[in-house]
Amino acid sequence: DADVTQTPRNRITKTGKRIMLECSQTKGHDRMYWYRQDPGLGLRLIYYSFDVKDINKGEISDGYSVSRQAQAKFSLSLESAIPNQTALYFCATSDSFRDTIYFGEGSWLTVV
Amino acid sequence: DQQVKQNSPSLSVQEGRISILNCDYTNSMFDYFLWYKKYPAEGPTFLISISSIKDKNEDGRFTVFLNKSAKHLSLHIVPSQPGDSAVYFCAASALYNAGGTSYGKLTFGQGTILTVHP
Repeated sequence: DADVTQTPRNRITKTGKRIMLECSQTKGHDRMYWYRQDPGLGLRLIYYSFDVKDINKGEISDGYSVSRQAQAKFSLSLESAIPNQTALYFCATSDSFRDTIYFGEGSWLTVV
Repeated sequence: DQQVKQNSPSLSVQEGRISILNCDYTNSMFDYFLWYKKYPAEGPTFLISISSIKDKNEDGRFTVFLNKSAKHLSLHIVPSQPGDSAVYFCAASALYNAGGTSYGKLTFGQGTILTVHP
């Protein structure tokens, strides 16, 4: 089983709809992240959380919100999806004292 | 403004030869650099890292070189194998300059698609 699990893995939604991407981890890490991958742009940080009570904006947080429901769970919401939010989304985790972040398998989101 | 750039979208190499992937950065606060590898339908996986106090780090077939004055790093894979075919991302953070609060706050390059031919 994957250490970082994302659901759904693929989703097509319509413009204006609310969509939530969920992430859970079994690594016991404190820190969780949401990244977005777009062709030619690499991966960009949307939001991150260093513990359950800590939420921080990344470089492209507009149009997104997050919730850290527990140490192991971090969800990303698009309140009103728009087509330029079509992308591959990755959840990631890291330990507070290590230098490596671990990615989930990704969630393909298409907004039509 | 792209602070981490991988200017080669793709690289094709023969099996057994050396693969050299390049990465340039502009932010002088960056002091920790990583390479990630990504296969289709999978998330990126950590490959190797280097801090700014070093100029070389080696792990088996993979070596990362850092030239701070040129703000340039490279990943060497020797010998290249067909299983190395993947997208390679370089990433950077101001890990130590930010007092350790930059864990996970990585700035990624655009990625380079490496194809190793048998």
